[in-house]
Amino acid sequence: GNSVTQMEGPVTLSEEAFLTINCTYTATGYPSLFWYVQYPGEGLQLLLKATKADDKGSNKGFEATYRKETTSFHLEKGSVQVSDSAVYFCALNYGSSNTGKLIFGQGTTLQVKP
Amino acid sequence: EPEVTQTPSHQVTQMGQEVILRCVPISNHLYFYWYRQILGQKVEFLVSFYNNEISEKSEIFDDQFSVERPDGSNFTLKIRSTKLEDSAMYFCASSGATQRAYGYTFGSGTRLTVV
Repeated sequence: GNSVTQMEGPVTLSEEAFLTINCTYTATGYPSLFWYVQYPGEGLQLLLKATKADDKGSNKGFEATYRKETTSFHLEKGSVQVSDSAVYFCALNYGSSNTGKLIFGQGTTLQVKP
Repeated sequence: EPEVTQTPSHQVTQMGQEVILRCVPISNHLYFYWYRQILGQKVEFLVSFYNNEISEKSEIFDDQFSVERPDGSNFTLKIRSTKLEDSAMYFCASSGATQRAYGYTFGSGTRLTVV
């Protein structure tokens, strides 16, 4: 079946460090891929997305590239800030699905220390 | 920016009681969803709703659950007889016709605690 696997957390970094959160997926066909972020006490916010192979999604300094050959969508940021501390979820979705439901990874907690 | 609004933000209920979680999706959206997140676990799909009927539901969404769009603005999730294991954060989401394939707007969630 379709699934998403993320690296286990928590990830603890110092401010201005480089961030990578790994995400790999298993799917038949060509899903769309997403990163959602959940700040403490808040809901899920779409961070970035990519809808086809080799697409790069980017937002707020975060980037992720849809790699079909490695079935991956790793999240990166060159210099993290304390305000980036949150839980990050990788997810996939079938654009042609009748329901368009999202399948989420387990989430990775990022803690950035000053 | 348009928001999906969920109420209440936190609800405590006794086991066996009925609860109704409420959501106001974005006004011009057509597709509506409920997800849940048990503490420390992944976000799980419960049900999707389009054109006044359920379009898909997961194994979690058994006979104890129901959804309704009672008027033009609200979208509700009812749990008929709550169990301890229903304790979770419940998220409502909505999407428009062209957004459906590409992302959704989520509400801030309702934390349900069953005691």
